[in-house]
Amino acid sequence: AQSVTQLDSQVPVFEEAPVELRCNYSSSVSVYLFWYVQYPNQGLQLLLKYLSGSTLVKGINGFEAEFNKSQTSFHLRKPSVHISDTAEYFCAVWASNAGNNRKLIWGLGTSLAVNP
Amino acid sequence: GAVVSQHPSWVICKSGTSVKIECRSLDFQATTMFWYRQFPKQSLMLMATSNEGSKATYEQGVEKDKFLINHASLTLSTLTVTSAHPEDSSFYICSARQTGGSGEQYFGPGTRLTVT
Repeated sequence: AQSVTQLDSQVPVFEEAPVELRCNYSSSVSVYLFWYVQYPNQGLQLLLKYLSGSTLVKGINGFEAEFNKSQTSFHLRKPSVHISDTAEYFCAVWASNAGNNRKLIWGLGTSLAVNP
Repeated sequence: GAVVSQHPSWVICKSGTSVKIECRSLDFQATTMFWYRQFPKQSLMLMATSNEGSKATYEQGVEKDKFLINHASLTLSTLTVTSAHPEDSSFYICSARQTGGSGEQYFGPGTRLTVT
């Protein structure tokens, strides 16, 4: 069975500093990987996704993530954060061969708080 | 593209009444839609997977007679919370997966339900 672990529940950071939000997954099969962002009282918005190909994936709002198969990780990074990046970030995994039982497996989320 | 709407965005109802929440994919067809529940400061909890034209698949522990799901067309799924109680108060989020897509889900903005 697949599982997703977001190693940090909360990440405080100062504005313009770099940030890394960590995500590890366990799966015995190939997976697709996603990062979603949720702003307060809103639904979820896709930041980026890895399906295949280049392991470095660039997303919206200056975020990027690197898929590391050997370490089963998909960490999210941004070189310089803004106050507006304050939100909840979710990592999710979808097994590519799960047939009709396909569904996203979610991490518990990381709360990013950007301080001035 | 790939916009999902939810209606209503918030609703207050009295205990014992039923509430219907609509989820629509506005510019794509969605064979599969998902209904999630989210408690404050927590991750998404998948309630059920809804496939157009067939019965929804409920996750373990979710009462199918209480949370009625109908997916009558490729662009509309509804969740009806029957005989609502205060413990049903929550943030309900739907998502839609594009027919033939790669597993990416597009999320609605969520519905805040408060049962008094």
